[in-house]
Amino acid sequence: AQTVTQSQPEMSVQEAETVTLSCTYDTSENNYYLFWYKQPPSRQMILVIRQEAYKQQNATENRFSVNFQKAAKSFSLKISDSQLGDTAMYFCAFMRIDDKIIFGKGTRLHILP
Amino acid sequence: NAGVTQTPKFQVLKTGQSMTLQCAQDMNHNSMYWYRQDPGMGLRLIYYSASEGTTDKGEVPNGYNVSRLNKREFSLRLESAAPSQTSVYFCASRGGQVYNEQFFGPGTRLTVL
Repeated sequence: AQTVTQSQPEMSVQEAETVTLSCTYDTSENNYYLFWYKQPPSRQMILVIRQEAYKQQNATENRFSVNFQKAAKSFSLKISDSQLGDTAMYFCAFMRIDDKIIFGKGTRLHILP
Repeated sequence: NAGVTQTPKFQVLKTGQSMTLQCAQDMNHNSMYWYRQDPGMGLRLIYYSASEGTTDKGEVPNGYNVSRLNKREFSLRLESAAPSQTSVYFCASRGGQVYNEQFFGPGTRLTVL
């Protein structure tokens, strides 16, 4: 069975610093998708970034980028120039081709002023 | 375009009572999902529906039933609520060949006394 592991339950960084959130996953499949979702205190789930496993190039979205290491089954999220509004829970997720999506347990990120 | 809507937003039940959580999406998505979110556990998949007329169990299906009423609507039923089902429930939908993004509803906070 697929699993998604986020090894950092909680992190704190100063505003404007760069922070990296870790995610590893376990699968025997070759084709799949990976996501990072943000959940602010409002509870709304917001997609931050996605990565297709068949693409070698790491995805980027403005201040957010990933380091996708397929062989190592690692998918970390880097937030550059962190802002107070980045304070949230961050979930890593893995989607199988058959439609099931598995989430990690999340990392609570605090951006300190 | 309302996206994914859920009703109700809050609900308190007594042990043994039944209720149905409603979810609807207006994005013409084929796939719909029900998750529960508990502190420290991330989002766990209860049931999902890859297309109208089909449903499949996720990680934690016990104590729940679902109905994919049509392409728009996917309901979750608790036949005999238990305190262990106290949680926040999220509905999500997904569609499109290229952009495999899940869109989430605002969530339902359910308390079972």
